[in-house]
Amino acid sequence: DTGVSQNPRHKITKRGQNVTFRCDPISEHNRLYWYRQTLGQGPEFLTYFQNEAQLEKSRLLSDRFSAERPKGSFSTLEIQRTEQGDSAMYLCASSLWGAVVYGYTFGSGTRLTVV
Amino acid sequence: AQKITQTQPGMFVQEKEAVTLDCTYDTSDPSYGLFWYKQPSSGEMIFLIYQGSYDQQNATEGRYSLNFQKARKSANLVISASQLGDSAMYFCAMRGLTLAGGTSYGKLTFGQGTILTVHP
Repeated sequence: DTGVSQNPRHKITKRGQNVTFRCDPISEHNRLYWYRQTLGQGPEFLTYFQNEAQLEKSRLLSDRFSAERPKGSFSTLEIQRTEQGDSAMYLCASSLWGAVVYGYTFGSGTRLTVV
Repeated sequence: AQKITQTQPGMFVQEKEAVTLDCTYDTSDPSYGLFWYKQPSSGEMIFLIYQGSYDQQNATEGRYSLNFQKARKSANLVISASQLGDSAMYFCAMRGLTLAGGTSYGKLTFGQGTILTVHP
């Protein structure tokens, strides 16, 4: 297993366009998380899934944001009608429920720049 | 609600010396876990160490140890024998471990981070 994989690594888009990011977690991990990190700040929680069920969404996740994990494996995060304030690093993490001592494994992130 | 505070925006240490990165927290969860992550300039978050609120002993992992003082609500990271490769951003994080903690259960809440620079 090569860890958590995120694609693309970088995305530059024009304001108003839609973007979609993909996250492939560690295969045996049943929990998947999305975070957003702006420069010089800690990651902020967006949403998380247990298998295919979306268990929680942050108030940060406006109506323009949607996340899916259709078969309990990979996940996508879509941002519609992007705004300059959406520019950030989007991090995905996965974990095995009940194995908290091992922490969460993060991917390398997708850096979004909205111009 | 949970809150993590890291009051040191930046820290400097000489190679081979020890350094302590501060972390204080606030939570209403009866049971919780505390984590430290390292984020080098490449961006990936690397898990370093975990401490459960119920653990009687402080956690250690190689050169990393966690100075856990429950009454003071602090969970400081100690890095011994610093190496040049330790230069990075360090984040303290926590999550609730019981459903009684409400929305803190399951997700990590992070602090603002501390940039550590190791000098040769």
